[in-house]
Amino acid sequence: DQQVKQNSPSLSVQEGRISILNCDYTNSMFDYFLWYKKYPAEGPTFLISISSIKDKNEDGRFTVFLNKSAKHLSLHIVPSQPGDSAVYFCAANYGGSQGNLIFGKGTKLSVKP
Amino acid sequence: DTAVSQTPKYLVTQMGNDKSIKCEQNLGHDTMYWYKQDSKKFLKIMFSYNNKELIINETVPNRFSPKSPDKAHLNLHINSLELGDSAVYFCASSKQGGLTSGGTDTQYFGPGTRLTVL
Repeated sequence: DQQVKQNSPSLSVQEGRISILNCDYTNSMFDYFLWYKKYPAEGPTFLISISSIKDKNEDGRFTVFLNKSAKHLSLHIVPSQPGDSAVYFCAANYGGSQGNLIFGKGTKLSVKP
Repeated sequence: DTAVSQTPKYLVTQMGNDKSIKCEQNLGHDTMYWYKQDSKKFLKIMFSYNNKELIINETVPNRFSPKSPDKAHLNLHINSLELGDSAVYFCASSKQGGLTSGGTDTQYFGPGTRLTVL
């Protein structure tokens, strides 16, 4: 039973345009959401997070939007750069879960020059 | 300086063997984790240790045994390896381990160990 779903396995975007990566979740207890980026042969690296009490968090070119009623979050990258090409994992957690992150399957983003 | 390191990076072995993967973090974190990424690319937590104590133990065969000699190390021992154990294993660490309610610490991942069981 997938509690965190990333339904698009891949996304291709032109350099300079916006990349939008989507994530849906089913567990209403989740109160913290994270995005990780992963390059081949490396471990995931933390990108940005959002608490369930917020609907938006921004860090430079990266913005995460949370729609709790729809149980949906998205990561926007503007402008996209070739170096952003990687697999992006959405993850979720809830207070008291003792750090147990639930990950989605990931979306492979390709940014073409 | 590598924050979270794992050895070996690649491990190829025969069914039935016993093997270990080592993990070390130099971030001064209190909590360490082992994750498994299977062939379907799902990244799932296996174990979590906080200050050398086990706090998460997901449904994992008891052939897998984590050992934490100190706060900076969490090793994974696997006995009687099976074909289905082939995967990439990631170690991670965080400052507190999400023990406080309402949020979580950022987890920092190692580069992974690709285990292939023949």
